Amino acid sequence: AQSVAQPEDQVNVAEGNPLTVKCTYSVSGNPYLFWYVQYPNRGLQFLLKYITGDNLVKGSYGFEAEFNKSQTSFHLKKPSALVSDSALYFCAVRVPNSGGYQKVTFGTGTKLQVIP
Amino acid sequence: DGGITQSPKYLFRKEGQNVTLSCEQNLNHDAMYWYRQDPGQGLRLIYYSQIVNDFQKGDIAEGYSVSREKKESFPLTVTSAQKNPTAFYLCASRGQLGMNTEAFFGQGTRLTVV
Repeated sequence: AQSVAQPEDQVNVAEGNPLTVKCTYSVSGNPYLFWYVQYPNRGLQFLLKYITGDNLVKGSYGFEAEFNKSQTSFHLKKPSALVSDSALYFCAVRVPNSGGYQKVTFGTGTKLQVIP
Repeated sequence: DGGITQSPKYLFRKEGQNVTLSCEQNLNHDAMYWYRQDPGQGLRLIYYSQIVNDFQKGDIAEGYSVSREKKESFPLTVTSAQKNPTAFYLCASRGQLGMNTEAFFGQGTRLTVV
């Protein structure tokens, strides 16, 4: 069984400071990892993904994430937080296989609050 | 513009009623999904479809039904058998099965039992 953990329900950071939203996963095999953002009463928007290759991936709106296989983590980061980054962030994992349905497992979400 | 559209945005259901949530995409995606979102629980998969005229139960399918008669459309019916239907429902689609593609989400439908 695969699982995703987002250990923090909420992260508070001052505007202009760096932010980190944590994600760890448990899978059998090599994972595909995703980050999505959700604004209130809206759908999820894709931010970035790790498939293979460079462990540091860059995505939309200045966000980046680092894949760490030994720690089974995929933390989301941004060097300088904006008030407009305040939203709910979801980490997700999928394990590729040769056929059939590829189950996607989402974390429970982390609310990011950027304080002006 | 290409995208995935859910309607209505807000829906109210009386006890014992069936209601249908619409999901339409013009992205030419093969796979479509329905998720339920409750506070603090992340997204839980209700049903998914990888091809027209085929769909499979997800983790919480009881009390729900779907159809996939057209590639573009994947409506979800919340039946009276669903005892706790109040939630935010999200539809998603993904192209090119087996590829490392991300999902595209609709804007969601908030269903409330009155």
